[in-house]
Amino acid sequence: NAGVTQTPKFQVLKTGQSMTLQCAQDMNHEYMSWYRQDPGMGLRLIHYSVGAGITDQGEVPNGYNVSRSTTEDFPLRLLSAAPSQTSVYFCASSKRSSTNEKLFFGSGTQLSVL
Amino acid sequence: KQEVTQIPAALSVPEGENLVLNCSFTDSAIYNLQWFRQDPGKGLTSLLLIQSSQREQTSGRLNASLDKSSGRSTLYIAASQPGDSATYLCAVRDAGNNRKLIWGLGTSLAVNP
Repeated sequence: NAGVTQTPKFQVLKTGQSMTLQCAQDMNHEYMSWYRQDPGMGLRLIHYSVGAGITDQGEVPNGYNVSRSTTEDFPLRLLSAAPSQTSVYFCASSKRSSTNEKLFFGSGTQLSVL
Repeated sequence: KQEVTQIPAALSVPEGENLVLNCSFTDSAIYNLQWFRQDPGKGLTSLLLIQSSQREQTSGRLNASLDKSSGRSTLYIAASQPGDSATYLCAVRDAGNNRKLIWGLGTSLAVNP
């Protein structure tokens, strides 16, 4: 079982460049989300989706866009990268968007913005 | 505002020891609490999920307890092994605040052979 797959694992960008972090899950999960993890801070929710065609903002959405055209894929776009977006990014999914579902995480993308 | 604290931030123990990791939260109005494991360079793995109505959950050598009234959860690891070395995070599903997951910063555990 592949579970949640994130690509790339590592990426270095220059300020102002754009890029897309890919996330795919093969578990037919309704709910997908993006987190960032920074030293000294808990995981913070960027955007989430409760199903194909439905997305919403989390705690720290500025500078990021998402779309959910299929159940399987939930890409995260950085429109114009800034050094403050240097972080480790995790995609997570759950079967449903209810409060009692376990989250399944991808292995992360380590992003550096110079 | 819900806050989650994990103490200690780091812990080093000899192999075979039983140990307890702590998680405290400030608001008892929660749906559930989850414990996760994070290995370096890898994602998080859900270990145990305790509903607000439950007192504990067990999986193998792991036992998690929940005391909502005192805002505390513990993760007990029996007979620790070097393979248990990882960072352990807890997260509470806040009953208010749009049912957000609020995360602790984790306890980094090293089990020495």
